[in-house]
Amino acid sequence: AQSVTQLGSHVSVSEGALVLLRCNYSSSVPPYLFWYVQYPNQGLQLLLKYTSAATLVKGINGFEAEFKKSETSFHLTKPSAHMSDAAEYFCAVSLSTNAGKSTFGDGTTLTVKP
Amino acid sequence: KAGVTQTPRYLIKTRGQQVTLSCSPISGHRSVSWYQQTPGQGLQFLFEYFSETQRNKGNFPGRFSGRQFSNSRSEMNVSTLELGDSALYLCASTNTGELFFGEGSRLTVL
Repeated sequence: AQSVTQLGSHVSVSEGALVLLRCNYSSSVPPYLFWYVQYPNQGLQLLLKYTSAATLVKGINGFEAEFKKSETSFHLTKPSAHMSDAAEYFCAVSLSTNAGKSTFGDGTTLTVKP
Repeated sequence: KAGVTQTPRYLIKTRGQQVTLSCSPISGHRSVSWYQQTPGQGLQFLFEYFSETQRNKGNFPGRFSGRQFSNSRSEMNVSTLELGDSALYLCASTNTGELFFGEGSRLTVL
């Protein structure tokens, strides 16, 4: 079984500030980890994924995440927030390369203040 | 390449009715999954179909069912609708390890 915990349902940052969204996972086998973003009234789109290659994963729009096995974490970061980053972010885990059955965290809503 | 297409985008039903939602995956994707998204429960996995067979199933009552056709298009059906079934139903397809989502079908049950 696997689970995901996203710490902080709401995060607010100023434009230009560091974005840090936290994700911890629990998995009985080596996990495959994903970050997705959802804009209002839209589906989710992939930001980045970890599939046991490099532990530091770079994604779209300047986001990156680091897989830390010892901490069971996969936090999402971006050095400088932009207004367009305001959205809801979901961390997800699957047990195999087939992500059809993924387990999602509860989501973190990111607000970017001008 | 066209993305995942879900129809209808919005629909309103009354308690006791049934509803069928449709999903056309990205061309070449054989896996189609369905998720229910609500403010209280977040994203919950419903089921996954691969090559017309249900490969995985979540913890939903039997009122929720689905199927997949030979062209990989999928439908899900909810019978005897309850108020709590109001949600955004998301379809996703994959063949590369990550999910590609449609924009969802927003169901309101009155």
